[in-house]
Amino acid sequence: KAGVTQTPRYLIKTRGQQVTLSCSPISGHRSVSWYQQTPGQGLQFLFEYFSETQRNKGNFPGRFSGRQFSNSRSEMNVSTLELGDSALYLCASSFTQTLAYATEAFFGQGTRLTVV
Amino acid sequence: AQTVTQSQPEMSVQEAETVTLSCTYDTSESDYYLFWYKQPPSRQMILVIRQEAYKQQNATENRFSVNFQKAAKSFSLKISDSQLGDAAMYFCAYRSGNNNAGNMLTFGGGTRLMVKP
Repeated sequence: KAGVTQTPRYLIKTRGQQVTLSCSPISGHRSVSWYQQTPGQGLQFLFEYFSETQRNKGNFPGRFSGRQFSNSRSEMNVSTLELGDSALYLCASSFTQTLAYATEAFFGQGTRLTVV
Repeated sequence: AQTVTQSQPEMSVQEAETVTLSCTYDTSESDYYLFWYKQPPSRQMILVIRQEAYKQQNATENRFSVNFQKAAKSFSLKISDSQLGDAAMYFCAYRSGNNNAGNMLTFGGGTRLMVKP
């Protein structure tokens, strides 16, 4: 069974540009969450999508957005990049049969974004 | 809001010995889940062990076990017979049992574990 796949693995962007990261969850998983990992702030929750709907959102500016497609694949977008957006972005998928029950999260290898 | 604290930024252990990583959390909820994740240099987060708050019995997975003290809001990870492959960052994480919280995880700051041969 394939794991969580994130593309690309590495990305270098210029300040002011926008970027789109992709995440393909484990087959059958309908919940996809995104996290930002930096040395200073640690691991912070960005948002979660379940059945194409955003279920939760962390404390990030509106420049950070996401979406989920009918096949559960998810993308996150960051517009008007800032130097502080340089981070490892992790995606996690969970098998959530109903909103009342969920298994543990399985993570991808992340996308390393560098903003210059 | 829930918070998770890992007070040991770095720990080291001799190969084949036992080490315990500490984690405390703060919550007003009674229903929740706790996890330990391992992040090796490859960066992929790997689930080590999970504990449901309603279960009194401490979880165990091979060489990994937890000491879950609900009243003290403490959730430590014990690694027995440490191996070189155990060297990694270890994160303690909390997930609410509230349906509205979904699968959101709150992480501690991490503990870097070094294993000496």
